[in-house]
Amino acid sequence: DSGVTQTPKHLITATGQRVTLRCSPRSGDLSVYWYQQSLDQGLQFLIQYYNGEERAKGNILERFSAQQFPDLHSELNLSSLELGDSALYFCASSVPTGATEAFFGQGTRLTVV
Amino acid sequence: AQSVSQHNHHVILSEAASLELGCNYSYGGTVNLFWYVQYPGQHLQLLLKYFSGDPLVKGIKGFEAEFIKSKFSFNLRKPSVQWSDTAEYFCAVIEWDTDKLIFGTGTRLQVFP
Repeated sequence: DSGVTQTPKHLITATGQRVTLRCSPRSGDLSVYWYQQSLDQGLQFLIQYYNGEERAKGNILERFSAQQFPDLHSELNLSSLELGDSALYFCASSVPTGATEAFFGQGTRLTVV
Repeated sequence: AQSVSQHNHHVILSEAASLELGCNYSYGGTVNLFWYVQYPGQHLQLLLKYFSGDPLVKGIKGFEAEFIKSKFSFNLRKPSVQWSDTAEYFCAVIEWDTDKLIFGTGTRLQVFP
């Protein structure tokens, strides 16, 4: 158990819908990363938050957004979902910035039908 | 843009064979380097990391990696693989000045008894 909790574990939704994925980092970790893992694109870095502020941005679509709350949990919002958004979404956390190892959650498997 | 390349997408070995997985990164500044492993159906776990000092680092389960700065490489090695090493292996780099944690596309390792 890495100490990073992601909910839900599985999510099935229809095209055009909006979903929210939640991540609780390890106790004391200030940095949260979000990744999308798909068969054809590998592990894509989406976005990183540090202590509530956006720190780094990767290949995140405009339909996707994220935030980190004062209690340091983070949410990834995916809207206007398309079939191609079906993937595993991982959250990782680290202390205190990214220049240390990151610990990953179990992921949320999103299926868009 | 910074990138991480893993040259071997799929490696098939017999037990007791030696393993070397290639990893090259494109960033010229100060970096931290990691190898993560993802066993089937599980989240990513850290195998080993390099921050500074001895460029030959040892990780868990008999894995080691060598950082060669002049070649921008961080290859993973294991002298004798086991069936339980069947997994996907990801090389990752954090750039000190951006804090982005970027992963390679991964190498799927299958070890047959």
